[in-house]
Amino acid sequence: GESVGLHLPTLSVQEGDNSIINCAYSNSASDYFIWYKQESGKGPQFIIDIRSNMDKRQGQRVTVLLNKTVKHLSLQIAATQPGDSAVYFCAENIYGNKLVFGAGTILRVKS
Amino acid sequence: DAGVIQSPRHEVTEMGQEVTLRCKPISGHNSLFWYRQTMMRGLELLIYFNNNVPIDDSGMPEDRFSAKMPNASFSTLKIQPSEPRDSAVYFCASSRRDSSTDTQYFGPGTRLTVL
Repeated sequence: GESVGLHLPTLSVQEGDNSIINCAYSNSASDYFIWYKQESGKGPQFIIDIRSNMDKRQGQRVTVLLNKTVKHLSLQIAATQPGDSAVYFCAENIYGNKLVFGAGTILRVKS
Repeated sequence: DAGVIQSPRHEVTEMGQEVTLRCKPISGHNSLFWYRQTMMRGLELLIYFNNNVPIDDSGMPEDRFSAKMPNASFSTLKIQPSEPRDSAVYFCASSRRDSSTDTQYFGPGTRLTVL
């Protein structure tokens, strides 16, 4: 039978290259954003977060950029490794501590 | 430190049966969340608790679903009666609300199959 479901965008990168994963969020009042990584068979794993009073935040090999004007969030991964292969989700804090997750992006790293 | 603990990891049941999923949040966390993940709808918030009190259950699909948090270290999500369309991976997450971060940490999930 036909398979129906979310069609996640896929980003394929060569090992060692930089990866950029993009996300558009919906609510201009959102004040907190998180990137999660989900490997097959596991729960989402926190990568990095950013508050709306910032436009850039750096972690180890990862950088998150926030553009509130166009409601856009990006995750940059430097020197991508095979272990980075996963589905990446952005999430926005709508109110209180309620998060709304994006559909996700599949990252495939080619060796 | 132990992360969020969920049990069982896998559950296979027949339509009409009651299913109970369990979650132990990270010690010291005062918010707990139940999510459902499917290929069709992605990751959806079902309900969340602050200090053991349900705050928002607008994501609970219907009356067949119920969740409880009798104390700070334990929560259950119950489906009665279960239906094949409830098949999904159910995640529990917890966070500590303070001035610096509301980061939610996820458990490994329970994969539910309803035949």
